[in-house]
Amino acid sequence: DGGITQSPKYLFRKEGQNVTLSCEQNLNHDAMYWYRQDPGQGLRLIYYSQIVNDFQKGDIAEGYSVSREKKESFPLTVTSAQKNPTAFYLCASSLGTRGSKNIQYFGAGTRLSVL
Amino acid sequence: QKEVEQNSGPLSVPEGAIASLNCTYSDRVSQSFFWYRQYSGKSPELIMSIYSNGDKEDGRFTAQLNKASQYVSLLIRDSQPSDSATYLCLSGNTGKLIFGQGTTLQVKP
Repeated sequence: DGGITQSPKYLFRKEGQNVTLSCEQNLNHDAMYWYRQDPGQGLRLIYYSQIVNDFQKGDIAEGYSVSREKKESFPLTVTSAQKNPTAFYLCASSLGTRGSKNIQYFGAGTRLSVL
Repeated sequence: QKEVEQNSGPLSVPEGAIASLNCTYSDRVSQSFFWYRQYSGKSPELIMSIYSNGDKEDGRFTAQLNKASQYVSLLIRDSQPSDSATYLCLSGNTGKLIFGQGTTLQVKP
C-alpha cells in the first residue's frame, strides 16, 4: 500500500523540549517537503529536500531542523527555539521538482500542541 | 516576497451552481500551478494541475491559466454539498512552491 506515513498523529511538547516528527514514503519519490498550517491559514514551507543528503530552508525554517539520510525518510525536529510550535504539520513528497513531477502528495499530518 | 493570493471567502453558492475560485501570483517565472482541496482537519488532496495557458477540464472541474495576467482559476460546475471545503492554490517553479491562504467554499443544499 503506497503512500506517505506521518507519525505520531498527535504530539505534545513540554517547554524546552525538542520533538521529532516522522515522515516516511514508499513512493520512490526524490523530493520531500515539510509544511506548517495554522488555523484558518494556508500551508507555509518549512524545509524541502530534492535529493538525499541535501535540503533547503523554506520560508519559516527558524526553530526547525531536518535530515535526509535515506530517500524514503525526512524527519522534522521542532527545537526549543521554536517558541510557538502549536500547529498542524504536513509532510509531502513529489516525484521530482519540474512540471508534472512537481505534484505533491501529502501525509495525514501531525498535530503538535504545547503542554 | 513572492506571493500567491486568494480571497479567503467564504464563497457561498447554491447546490447545482458554478463556483469560481481565483488565484493571483507574483512570481513571473512560475511554471507549475495546482489546485488542492482540503476538508477541515484533513490533509490537502490534488484536484487539478495546469502548466500552460488556457483551459484544462477534468469532469466537473476546469482550471484556467493566464500567465500574462498571472492569474489562475478553478471552476466547479454543478456544485455539490460535498464540494464544501477549502481550496488551496499552489504555484512556483523548480523545487520551492508557494501556497495561497485558501478559499473556503460553502455549497448550500
